[in-house]
Amino acid sequence: GENVEQHPSTLSVQEGDSAVIKCTYSDSASNYFPWYKQELGKGPQLIIDIRSNVGEKKDQRIAVTLNKTAKHFSLHITETQPEDSAVYFCAAVEGYQKVTFGTGTKLQVIP
Amino acid sequence: EAEVAQSPRYKITEKSQAVAFWCDPISGHATLYWYRQILGQGPELLVQFQDESVVDDSQLPKDRFSAERLKGVDSTLKIQPAELGDSAMYLCASSLEGTTYEQYFGPGTRLTVT
Repeated sequence: GENVEQHPSTLSVQEGDSAVIKCTYSDSASNYFPWYKQELGKGPQLIIDIRSNVGEKKDQRIAVTLNKTAKHFSLHITETQPEDSAVYFCAAVEGYQKVTFGTGTKLQVIP
Repeated sequence: EAEVAQSPRYKITEKSQAVAFWCDPISGHATLYWYRQILGQGPELLVQFQDESVVDDSQLPKDRFSAERLKGVDSTLKIQPAELGDSAMYLCASSLEGTTYEQYFGPGTRLTVT
């Protein structure tokens, strides 16, 4: 089955700096890569996603890049704000919506 | 904005007791998922429904867990008997059928087994 590794497990940045979270996957059949933000006591919320036929996607301060050859993808948050503090999960989806999540990155933005 | 509803939000039960969780997906979403999330880890899929049919329950501990979605709308996940290791967050998610992959999660049920 699919295996998704996520790094780092914790990340602290100063407000206004950029944050980068990286994930690798094992199954070349995976073709959809969503990123979720989970705040304390809440369910994960989809923040951005990328499909296998695209190398990069951007939405305001958030961007995701995908390297299918190397089987890795990354989340980039620019101009971080305190409200960006949360746990972020990457995921890889193969077949018909079979989702495998990474282990999560706890991001702390220091004001 | 439409949301996935779950109840209860919190549940404390003693081991060997039965417990049930309820989920109401976003209207029109044919696919429904139940996940278990242990503290500090990512969600793990337990069962996936397409309408009222089970698509994937390979990770569901069937000796004690059961799930149903009788009319293809809301769903119930049951644990009987509960064990200490079942303490976790149980998340429900839904998505549209077809090539749309986006899953929308509910707030979850935090289960504590004592």
